[in-house]
Amino acid sequence: KQEVTQIPAALSVPEGENLVLNCSFTDSAIYNLQWFRQDPGKGLTSLLLIQSSQREQTSGRLNASLDKSSGRSTLYIAASQPGDSATYLCAVMGAITALIFGKGTTLSVSS
Amino acid sequence: EAQVTQNPRYLITVTGKKLTVTCSQNMNHEYMSWYRQDPGLGLRQIYYSMNVEVTDKGDVPEGYKVSRKEKRNFPLILESPSPNQTSLYFCASSPRLAGQETQYFGPGTRLLVL
Repeated sequence: KQEVTQIPAALSVPEGENLVLNCSFTDSAIYNLQWFRQDPGKGLTSLLLIQSSQREQTSGRLNASLDKSSGRSTLYIAASQPGDSATYLCAVMGAITALIFGKGTTLSVSS
Repeated sequence: EAQVTQNPRYLITVTGKKLTVTCSQNMNHEYMSWYRQDPGLGLRQIYYSMNVEVTDKGDVPEGYKVSRKEKRNFPLILESPSPNQTSLYFCASSPRLAGQETQYFGPGTRLLVL
């Protein structure tokens, strides 16, 4: 059964730092991997989707990589800002049509 | 504006009183699903639908029902709610077979069952 793990569970950084969030999954047979952002009391916003055939995707200050063979993905956030404070969720889509989510990394960026 | 809407956003009810949480999307998506989010357990899928009249169970379907009579709507029904169904519920939709496309999530419905 697919399991998704995110490390660290929480992270606090000062504004301006570059940071990396980690995601690992146990079954490499995935269709895609998505990174989401969740603000307190709000829904999920899709940040990046990486197809299984791709190695990385970029959007603005965000860059996500995927190494399917090793079961790992990273989300790189450049020049972090207080507005980046949120919970970041990694999710993989496997053979069954459901996203399997990690428990998230809660990021706090201080000004 | 392309969006997934859910109603109600907040609901307090009592054990055994049937309720329905509505979900609607205006993007003509084939695929829709329901998730629940609980502290320490993360998000888990309840039911999904590949298209009109096609629904199937996710990881935690017990105590829930769904229907997909129209493409845009996918209501979640709790026939006899129990306190262990207190949770934050999300509806999501995707353009076609989920696995190739981004999933779009609604704002969530926070349910408290007393």
